[in-house]
Amino acid sequence: DTEVTQTPKHLVMGMTNKKSLKCEQHMGHRAMYWYKQKAKKPPELMFVYSYEKLSINESVPSRFSPECPNSSLLNLHLHALQPEDSALYLCASSQGTGWEARETQYFGPGTRLLVL
Amino acid sequence: AQSVTQLDSHVSVSEGTPVLLRCNYSSSYSPSLFWYVQHPNKGLQLLLKYTSAATLVKGINGFEAEFKKSETSFHLTKPSAHMSDAAEYFCVVSGGEYNFNKFYFGSGTKLNVKP
Repeated sequence: DTEVTQTPKHLVMGMTNKKSLKCEQHMGHRAMYWYKQKAKKPPELMFVYSYEKLSINESVPSRFSPECPNSSLLNLHLHALQPEDSALYLCASSQGTGWEARETQYFGPGTRLLVL
Repeated sequence: AQSVTQLDSHVSVSEGTPVLLRCNYSSSYSPSLFWYVQHPNKGLQLLLKYTSAATLVKGINGFEAEFKKSETSFHLTKPSAHMSDAAEYFCVVSGGEYNFNKFYFGSGTKLNVKP
């Protein structure tokens, strides 16, 4: 089973709201990723967790706050977002990371976020 | 440094005709290369992966790709297009020093399949 699940599928929020996106995998993968994808563009990496520790933060604004409570679960907490943050947010996982790791990333279906 | 160039932003074919989506890469190391497909409002699905084994890689749904080191290319082909192949396709390179399995995406190729 190579399934990554994401909830919710769609989210509409105001600029003062606080919301969270959730991602789950049960493949025993130790690396999890958050990507942001704008329309007609490739995904852009936001965060990487390796063994439940934040390994990469691609200079993402602090209004996005990731959390990895355990090896199967990844959250993205959203607060005071801007309309330009509206996008498809994709979660992915891979077996591991590390030096010269070149492993397949398995993507979830995404959460379509609209910020009003 | 790693980078990927997808040479066509749009490709249009008729159903039943061959598909060719072109990808060139740049990598400081022996790369891993991937092709992913994204249908509208969906996540990315892995089509196939090259990791320095056989240079001709077979994937799902009849797709295959050939790794050509001399040309730094990894073009995706399919002998006969189906309507369900209409989607966005991304070529990806990963691997390299200290990059934590970072993926470098091409800009994507939108495949249109005409009846």
